[in-house]
Amino acid sequence: GAGVSQSPRYKVAKRGQDVALRCDPISGHVSLFWYQQALGQGPEFLTYFQNEAQLDKSGLPSDRFFAERPEGSVSTLKIQRTQQEDSAVYLCASSVYRGTYEQYFGPGTRLTVT
Amino acid sequence: DQQVKQNSPSLSVQEGRISILNCDYTNSMFDYFLWYKKYPAEGPTFLISISSIKDKNEDGRFTVFLNKSAKHLSLHIVPSQPGDSAVYFCAASGYALNFGKGTSLLVTP
Repeated sequence: GAGVSQSPRYKVAKRGQDVALRCDPISGHVSLFWYQQALGQGPEFLTYFQNEAQLDKSGLPSDRFFAERPEGSVSTLKIQRTQQEDSAVYLCASSVYRGTYEQYFGPGTRLTVT
Repeated sequence: DQQVKQNSPSLSVQEGRISILNCDYTNSMFDYFLWYKKYPAEGPTFLISISSIKDKNEDGRFTVFLNKSAKHLSLHIVPSQPGDSAVYFCAASGYALNFGKGTSLLVTP
């Protein structure tokens, strides 16, 4: 069975460029989370989807960050006008449903903004 | 404000001995706690969890202890093996996970 996959695995962007990060959750998982992990830190919550509905976006650091999950499966995290402080690993996780605590993580996308 | 704290950035243990990783939390509303293991260039992998209604959960070589009054939990690995060398994250669940900064465990032969 396939786990959570993310693409690209590595992305280098020049400051001011827009980037799009993709997440394919485990098939049938209702809940999808995005986290940001800075160097030497633990993952920090960005946003949460239940099916196609974005129920919580309180962790998004600025209005340059936007996430969507239009058909309730694949999700895309978009960052507009990237800044150096956006450099981090972006992790996607899915779980069967909101009441299930265990989340299954993808390998992450390492974003470097130069 | 860090609600989950892992105060030891690193730990070195000899193979065969016990590894004890500690975690403290501040929010008494957390009702479920998880440990994740992470290898370089991979995402965190779920290891073991415990509900706040329990004080101990065991799974093979891994045991998690929860002391609610002290807002403290610990992960015991016994016996430790070189393949256990990784970064271990403690997480507490509201519904999103609140992670500590991690403890890097090195198990030496």
